[in-house]
Amino acid sequence: AQTVTQSQPEMSVQEAETVTLSCTYDTSESDYYLFWYKQPPSRQMILVIRQEAYKQQNATENRFSVNFQKAAKSFSLKISDSQLGDAAMYFCAYRSGGGSQGNLIFGKGTKLSVKP
Amino acid sequence: IAGITQAPTSQILAAGRRMTLRCTQDMRHNAMYWYRQDLGLGLRLIHYSNTAGTTGKGEVPDGYSVSRANTDDFPLTLASAVPSQTSVYFCASRDSGSYNSPLHFGNGTRLTVT
Repeated sequence: AQTVTQSQPEMSVQEAETVTLSCTYDTSESDYYLFWYKQPPSRQMILVIRQEAYKQQNATENRFSVNFQKAAKSFSLKISDSQLGDAAMYFCAYRSGGGSQGNLIFGKGTKLSVKP
Repeated sequence: IAGITQAPTSQILAAGRRMTLRCTQDMRHNAMYWYRQDLGLGLRLIHYSNTAGTTGKGEVPDGYSVSRANTDDFPLTLASAVPSQTSVYFCASRDSGSYNSPLHFGNGTRLTVT
C-alpha cells in the first residue's frame, strides 16, 4: 500500500522569506500523481499545485514550486516570498494512476506559521 | 457558484443516535469521496463512489454507510454514533474522465459525538 510521510508537524517562516515543506512517499507504481493542498483556518481544502510522475519538469504556480525527485520518492513544496495569508496546514497527497478508484492518500500535514 | 455543498456545517450528536451528513455537487463529477480529518492523522478515506450506483470501502469504513442514487448526491450515514466518530468530515468529488484532475472538496462538517 502507498504511504505519504510529512516529517515536519510544524514549520515557521518570516514574511517575505522562503520555506520548504518536505514530503516523501512510498510506492511501487510508476504511474501516479502528487498534490499539495492548503487548509487555512477556514477549513477549506485548496489545491496549491500538482505534479504528474511522468513529467520530469517541476511544477510551478506563481510563488509555489515543487522539487520532485522521483528516484528518491520526494515531493517537497517551496513557498517563495512568504505572505501572512500562506499560514495554514499543508497536506501532501498521492494518487495512483489509471485503474484505481482515484482517491488521494494524504500525509498527516505540516502547520505553517508566518511571522510578520 | 459550482462546487460541493455539505450540510450541516456542524452538529453535536448524542451517542447512539443516527445521523446523515449530506453532500451535493453540481459539477457532474462521476467520482465522489468521504474523508474524515483528525488532528495528527491527516485525512483518511471512509467510502468512495466511482459512479452513480456503485460504492466502495476506504481505509476507515466501520460504522459508516453511503449510497449513490444519482450523480449529484453522496450522503454519509452513521447508524449509531460513537464518540470516536467525533471528527471533521469532508466530501470530495473528481472528474474521473480527466487523468490529472484533482479532488474538489466541500467545506466540511464538524461532528461532535457526546
